[in-house]
Parts: sequence; C-alpha cells; structure tokens
Amino acid sequence: GEDVEQSLFLSVREGDSSVINCTYTDSSSTYLYWYKQEPGAGLQLLTYIFSNMDMKQDQRLTVLLNKKDKHLSLRIADTQTGDSAIYFCAEKSSNTGKLIFGQGTTLQVKP
Amino acid sequence: GAGVSQSPSNKVTEKGKDVELRCDPISGHTALYWYRQSLGQGLEFLIYFQGNSAPDKSGLPSDRFSAERTGGSVSTLTIQRTQQEDSAVYLCASSFRRGGSKDTQYFGPGTRLTVL
Repeated sequence: GEDVEQSLFLSVREGDSSVINCTYTDSSSTYLYWYKQEPGAGLQLLTYIFSNMDMKQDQRLTVLLNKKDKHLSLRIADTQTGDSAIYFCAEKSSNTGKLIFGQGTTLQVKP
Repeated sequence: GAGVSQSPSNKVTEKGKDVELRCDPISGHTALYWYRQSLGQGLEFLIYFQGNSAPDKSGLPSDRFSAERTGGSVSTLTIQRTQQEDSAVYLCASSFRRGGSKDTQYFGPGTRLTVL
C-alpha cells in the first residue's frame, strides 16, 4: 500500500543546515511535496519535485530525490528560528490524486 | 489573491450533535479535498471532489461523515452524531485540476473540532 515515513524530531543550531528525510512506497508517484506547518496554522506548501527530477533548489531549500531508493530529503540552508515548525513530506497517489502524508518532522532551531 | 478559507475556525460540540464545516476553495480551482489531522492518526485523506465527477469517498471513516460540493465551489463536510474520536483539525485543500504540475494542493487554515 501507500505509506510515507519520516523521522519525528530534528534539532539544529541557528545558522546550521537542516536535513529532513522521508521515504515513500508508491513508485508510481508523479509528484512529491514538502509542506510546513507552524503552531496553530494550516499547511503551507514549501516546494515540490516531479519524479523525473533528482534535485530542485529554491533559495535556501534544496530537495533531493532518489527514486531508486524512494527517498526524499529537504535541506534548509542557514536555518533560522523562524524555520521552527513541523515539516510534512507527501506523495501524490498516482491513482486518485490524494496526498499521502508522513507523520511530520518537528524542527527545533536553537539560537 | 484569496486563498482557501474555512469556517468556523473552532467548533466545540457535545457528543451526539451534528456539525457542519465549510470550505471555500480558491476561485477557479476545480478539485477540492478534505483531510483530517489528529494526534493519533496524523494527516488522513477523507474525500475528494473533481468537477462534476462522482466524489472519491474512500477516506471517510464511517457513514456518519458526508460531504457535498454545491455549484462546483463551496463544500460542506457534515459529521452526524459526533463522537469524541472525531475531535481533530479538519483541513480543506483545493487545486487547479487533477494531474500535472497544476495539481498542487493549497490548504486552508483548518477547523479545529472538539467533541466533549
């Protein structure tokens, strides 16, 4: 079946890079997404990557996709305290279009 | 432009009562999704509407849950005879169309439902 796994917690120092990892199971997923959720807020789309790409860079964000291993990562360069949030990885079901989410990774940024 | 809006932002109800949650998608978006976020289950898909097609109801947890989308725009999620396990944040998302890069889903702020 479709499943997405993430580590639950990551703590970094301000200015360091953060790397959040995700694995998924649906090899036919066409798009993979990263969403950010701040306390009490909804889901904010950060970035997405098409399955035929290996990497996508958007300012401080770099997404790496290893389709063979079904592994996705989000790197945040120069992490700031404002980056503290829960980060969700999601794959889009190739059959239905619905999003399958991981459990979310809580990123804690220490000053 | 305006994003996805949801109302109410918070709803407290008593067990056994019915509730209605509303979602206003981004103008022009033909696809609309409902998800539920709860502590024990994470983010779960509930139901999906695409244009005039029959909705995909495969994620609805029981027959107490139903949803409709009138005029291809606003959607209402109804929970009948609410139970405490229905307490969660209900999120609505919309996208331009199914498939391709335009299918990126944009989420509303959610409705926090508390069943006492």
